[in-house]
Amino acid sequence: QQQVKQSPQSLIVQKGGISIINCAYENTAFDYFPWYQQFPGKGPALLIAIRPDVSEKKEGRFTISFNKSAKQFSLHIMDSQPGDSATYFCAAGPSAGKSTFGDGTTLTVKP
Amino acid sequence: NAGVTQTPKFRVLKTGQSMTLLCAQDMNHEYMYWYRQDPGMGLRLIHYSVGEGTTAKGEVPDGYNVSRLKKQNFLLGLESAAPSQTSVYFCASSLLANTGELFFGEGSRLTVL
Repeated sequence: QQQVKQSPQSLIVQKGGISIINCAYENTAFDYFPWYQQFPGKGPALLIAIRPDVSEKKEGRFTISFNKSAKQFSLHIMDSQPGDSATYFCAAGPSAGKSTFGDGTTLTVKP
Repeated sequence: NAGVTQTPKFRVLKTGQSMTLLCAQDMNHEYMYWYRQDPGMGLRLIHYSVGEGTTAKGEVPDGYNVSRLKKQNFLLGLESAAPSQTSVYFCASSLLANTGELFFGEGSRLTVL
């Protein structure tokens, strides 16, 4: 039973465009919602995270939007750059280490 | 700035062989984790540790054992490797459980023939 559903599986965006990746979760007890960025041959790295007491968090060009009632959250990458090309994972759980991960979205930003 | 170091980075095993993956962190973190990542899937938690001398099962623990004899090291063992254990294994550590950022190693690619 998959508890975190991520979409789309892959995404192609032109340089300067907005990349949007969505995730839905099932367990209302989840309390921590991070996004990770992974480059080929590397481990994931925390990009940004949010807790359910806020609806939005912004760090530079990256924004998490959180909808607690719909049990959905999304990552928005503004002014997407070729260097943003990577695989992005959402996760949800009671804590950082015990989060359930989505299946990942491969983002390609074309110059 | 080593962070989280995994050894070996690559390994090929035959079915039934055993091996140990080593994870070492130099950040004095209490919490350590082992994940596996399969193509087209996110990371799945195998085992974790909340401190030296402790271990606990994660989502997919079968076929694996772990030990945390020293705070900085977390070992993942496969006693009798199976082709289904072909995967990329990631170790991670965090200072705090609930709000702490996970720091990942670069992964260990294991192939079981």
